[in-house]
Amino acid sequence: DGGITQSPKYLFRKEGQNVTLSCEQNLNHDAMYWYRQDPGQGLRLIYYSQIVNDFQKGDIAEGYSVSREKKESFPLTVTSAQKNPTAFYLCASSIVAGDTEAFFGQGTRLTVV
Amino acid sequence: SQQGEEDPQALSIQEGENATMNCSYKTSINNLQWYRQNSGRGLVHLILIRSNEREKHSGRLRVTLDTSKKSSSLLITASRAADTASYFCATDFKVAQKLVFGQGTRLTINP
Repeated sequence: DGGITQSPKYLFRKEGQNVTLSCEQNLNHDAMYWYRQDPGQGLRLIYYSQIVNDFQKGDIAEGYSVSREKKESFPLTVTSAQKNPTAFYLCASSIVAGDTEAFFGQGTRLTVV
Repeated sequence: SQQGEEDPQALSIQEGENATMNCSYKTSINNLQWYRQNSGRGLVHLILIRSNEREKHSGRLRVTLDTSKKSSSLLITASRAADTASYFCATDFKVAQKLVFGQGTRLTINP
């Protein structure tokens, strides 16, 4: 089945630790996105990538890092510099950045303990 | 910064009634999209309307776009309990190809 997969579904992190969220797609999409969603809020763009080996900062990139070494993979690292990382993280992909519908993963809920 | 702003933030109606949600945005766009999110899940794409289109239909959904007012509306007709979800509009900037979402409208359909 084609789709976009995020793992893990739930993640717990101790303060001061870095943690990496996985996002994989087998849709052959060029564009991939990472969003953060806080309770009862909308989605805020963290990073996006229009094509492999290239990515741009979104509105709230501070404390996060990404890589796009393979077309199908766009991992997000939440670093210790992110002061309030507890949130729901959503990954998405689309054929072309912004111009076509985006397909979303089921999300990763990150909790700092 | 958020590009799209939905109105109302929350809407509660009886099953069978129509539900209308509005979205306003700030800068020129290539297209506007509407998505649905069930609690704790990923988003599902509903409809995409391009800047040169004024109205689009998909089943019980009707979307309008007024680029002069920088606004869009999503109408769900003959609502069902299963339509209970949050609905988001998303826009892409003309100057930067990225998809930016609004705050969403939480829709509750009462049986």
